[in-house]
Amino acid sequence: RKEVEQDPGPFNVPEGATVAFNCTYSNSASQSFFWYRQDCRKEPKLLMSVYSSGNEDGRFTAQLNRASQYISLLIRDSKLSDSATYLCVVNSAGGTSYGKLTFGQGTILTVHP
Amino acid sequence: GAGVSQSPRYKVAKRGQDVALRCDPISGHVSLFWYQQALGQGPEFLTYFQNEAQLDKSGLPSDRFFAERPEGSVSTLKIQRTQQEDSAVYLCASSLAGFTGNTIYFGEGSWLTVV
Repeated sequence: RKEVEQDPGPFNVPEGATVAFNCTYSNSASQSFFWYRQDCRKEPKLLMSVYSSGNEDGRFTAQLNRASQYISLLIRDSKLSDSATYLCVVNSAGGTSYGKLTFGQGTILTVHP
Repeated sequence: GAGVSQSPRYKVAKRGQDVALRCDPISGHVSLFWYQQALGQGPEFLTYFQNEAQLDKSGLPSDRFFAERPEGSVSTLKIQRTQQEDSAVYLCASSLAGFTGNTIYFGEGSWLTVV
């Protein structure tokens, strides 16, 4: 079983739609959680961190459920520019002084007119 | 630019050839990571440097892979006797100190194709 699992999609949605991505992780000692965005042939870039209390950044809402080891990302009012691969990322530092990022497979989103 | 710079951007190697991939991290960044991203997959950790010290190389897939950062700045990932399964994007990332997720910066990657 992979340490971080995501539904690879692809998700094809019209502009204005709401879309939700889910992710599960297996290492209960994981300390921090993120969503990254990766455009085609580009590097991953941090979209937002994920906190247990939930956090929102404009049209994007991230949630973390530590008990279920489950992370979600909700995108409201989808834009064409949201088309990308969304990567669920877990910091599985495991007591080290640095963070080793573990990435999910990525979920492909295509927003169409 | 001021970002993480990687070279070459694209490399085609014949099977059995040795390759060297270079990473110039952001100036002053202590931490440097190498990741491997196969087509359709997320990046996978290869190795981590803190300054010139390689603190973790647990992700290197075989002894054909070797990384160094001799002066604590530029890093090189070397792959000896390349195989087709080595075809991937090799991403370098750096952060100022340790890691906080919010401050890790990736380069655009070196795209390696082994034929």
